[in-house]
Amino acid sequence: DGGITQSPKYLFRKEGQNVTLSCEQNLNHDAMYWYRQDPGQGLRLIYYSQIVNDFQKGDIAEGYSVSREKKESFPLTVTSAQKNPTAFYLCASSKEGQHEIPSGRNTEAFFGQGTRLTVV
Amino acid sequence: GQQVMQIPQYQHVQEGEDFTTYCNSSTTLSNIQWYKQRPGGHPVFLIQLVKSGEVKKQKRLTFQFGEAKKNSSLHITATQTTDVGTYFCAGGLYSGAGSYQLTFGKGTKLSVIP
Repeated sequence: DGGITQSPKYLFRKEGQNVTLSCEQNLNHDAMYWYRQDPGQGLRLIYYSQIVNDFQKGDIAEGYSVSREKKESFPLTVTSAQKNPTAFYLCASSKEGQHEIPSGRNTEAFFGQGTRLTVV
Repeated sequence: GQQVMQIPQYQHVQEGEDFTTYCNSSTTLSNIQWYKQRPGGHPVFLIQLVKSGEVKKQKRLTFQFGEAKKNSSLHITATQTTDVGTYFCAGGLYSGAGSYQLTFGKGTKLSVIP
């Protein structure tokens, strides 16, 4: 089955430790995204990548880092610099990446199940 | 940057009543998408609107895209308990510089009282 997989589903870390969240897709999608979801805040974009070996900061990139060495994988590292890391993290992918046409065709986002990170 | 406002934040309805959520963008959009997130789940794509003034229907759900491509609405007729969840709009903007960004609204959380 094609899909997008996030792991783990729940993650607990001590304050001050870096932690990496996994996101893998086998949909052959060019674009991948990381969102953070807090109660009442909706989905806020952390980083996105439209093509391998390239990524851009989203609205709340501070304290996070990403890499896109393979088309299938877009891991997110939550660093100790992130002041309030406890949240629900969602990874998404869409078929089209950099060479969009203005109508946005093929930009439907497929989401993973999410990782709930708790920092204690 | 691009902002997408969505109202109301919460809506409680009696089963059988109608429900509407509204989305407004600070900029003219390339397209708008709607997603539904069930409690404890992840957002699932519902539909995409691209053309100015476009209206699409999915059973009891009606989606509209404004003439200026800056606002949109989702209307559910005769809500059912299966409609419970948070509905998000997401505004798509193509910058023309090889960059496409999808900005989500904060969502409307729908509760349906049986």
